[in-house]
Amino acid sequence: DTGVSQDPRHKITKRGQNVTFRCDPISEHNRLYWYRQTLGQGPEFLTYFQNEAQLEKSRLLSDRFSAERPKGSFSTLEIQRTEQGDSAMYLCASSPPGTSDYNEQFFGPGTRLTVL
Amino acid sequence: AQTVTQSQPEMSVQEAETVTLSCTYDTSESNYYLFWYKQPPSRQMILVIRQEAYKQQNATENRFSVNFQKAAKSFSLKISDSQLGDTAMYFCAFMTDSGYALNFGKGTSLLVTP
Repeated sequence: DTGVSQDPRHKITKRGQNVTFRCDPISEHNRLYWYRQTLGQGPEFLTYFQNEAQLEKSRLLSDRFSAERPKGSFSTLEIQRTEQGDSAMYLCASSPPGTSDYNEQFFGPGTRLTVL
Repeated sequence: AQTVTQSQPEMSVQEAETVTLSCTYDTSESNYYLFWYKQPPSRQMILVIRQEAYKQQNATENRFSVNFQKAAKSFSLKISDSQLGDTAMYFCAFMTDSGYALNFGKGTSLLVTP
């Protein structure tokens, strides 16, 4: 069983450019999460999908950010008009369906974004 | 809003020794979950241990155990018989029982030395 995968692993872009990241969750996991981790900080929640529905968005997710999960499988996170402050590690996590109160989130390796 | 505080940015321990990482949190919720995640250098984050707030018994996973003090809003992680592979960033995290987002602390960098 493969874990959560993310592509690309590293991305260097110039300020003002658009970037898109992809996350492939663990098979059968219907819940998907995006987090952002800046240097010296813990991950911060960005958004949450259950199947294809985006159920929760953080105020950190400005208008320049958009996330999709069109078929309830992989997800994309797009940042438009990147700024230097967007430089961070973008983490994706997934968790399985279930009726328990809590389902463990399994994290991917992340995409490290550097905006020059 | 919930906040998670890890007051120890860096710690060091010798192999085979025991180390305790501290975590405090602030919440008005009565039901919630607490976690310790490990992030090894250049590797993905993995769950080490979790605690349900309604359970009084402290969680244990092999060499890892927690000291959960609900009234004090404290959740420390004890690593016994430390191994070189325990070297990593350790994050304390909080989740309400009605939410989906993990709220993380800033992390503690643990170095295990020979």
